[in-house]
Amino acid sequence: AQSVTQLGSHVSVSEGALVLLRCNYSSSVPPYLFWYVQYPNQGLQLLLKYTSAATLVKGINGFEAEFKKSETSFHRTKPSAHMSDAAEYFCAVSDKGNNAGNMLTFGGGTRLMVKP
Amino acid sequence: KAGVTQTPRYLIKTRGQQVTLSCSPISGHRSVSWYQQTPGQGLQFLFEYFSETQRNKGNFPGRFSGRQFSNSRSEMNVSTLELGDSALYLCASSTPSGPGDGYTFGSGTRLTVV
Repeated sequence: AQSVTQLGSHVSVSEGALVLLRCNYSSSVPPYLFWYVQYPNQGLQLLLKYTSAATLVKGINGFEAEFKKSETSFHRTKPSAHMSDAAEYFCAVSDKGNNAGNMLTFGGGTRLMVKP
Repeated sequence: KAGVTQTPRYLIKTRGQQVTLSCSPISGHRSVSWYQQTPGQGLQFLFEYFSETQRNKGNFPGRFSGRQFSNSRSEMNVSTLELGDSALYLCASSTPSGPGDGYTFGSGTRLTVV
């Protein structure tokens, strides 16, 4: 079974500082990888996805994520944090394959706090 | 186009009762999956339906069940509610092309069991 680890359940950065959110997955076969954001009392919004095309995936608002097979990682970075980036972020994986079905395995989430 | 719609948004039930939650996927999406989110367990997969058939099931007791209709709308039912069933229940829909297209989530139904 897949597992996803997000290092750091809480990350605090100053506005303008680099943001690094870590995600490692367990599969030996590169799966599909996703980053979602959740604001209070809301559902999940898809920010980034890796589906075996480019290993560096760019999303909205300056965030990007890099897939590294050798490290089984899909860390997410942003050069300069903004107050509006404060939210909870989830990394998720989904197996490939025609019969895999649509099932996501989530990491525990990282709550990003941005200090003024 | 309209997103994934979940109803109701909030629900309060008493222990022992049963509850039905509804999810309408994005038009054209035939896969609907359900997730439970709690502070202690995080986001956990409940089940997935595709073309009215349950295709995947997570590790939840039989009190949790679901179904999908011919128009792809889905319902999940929880019988004999327990306090631990209090959670945000999220529904996601995806295109027939498969998981690589990503998943669109609804805003969720927050269930409180008292």
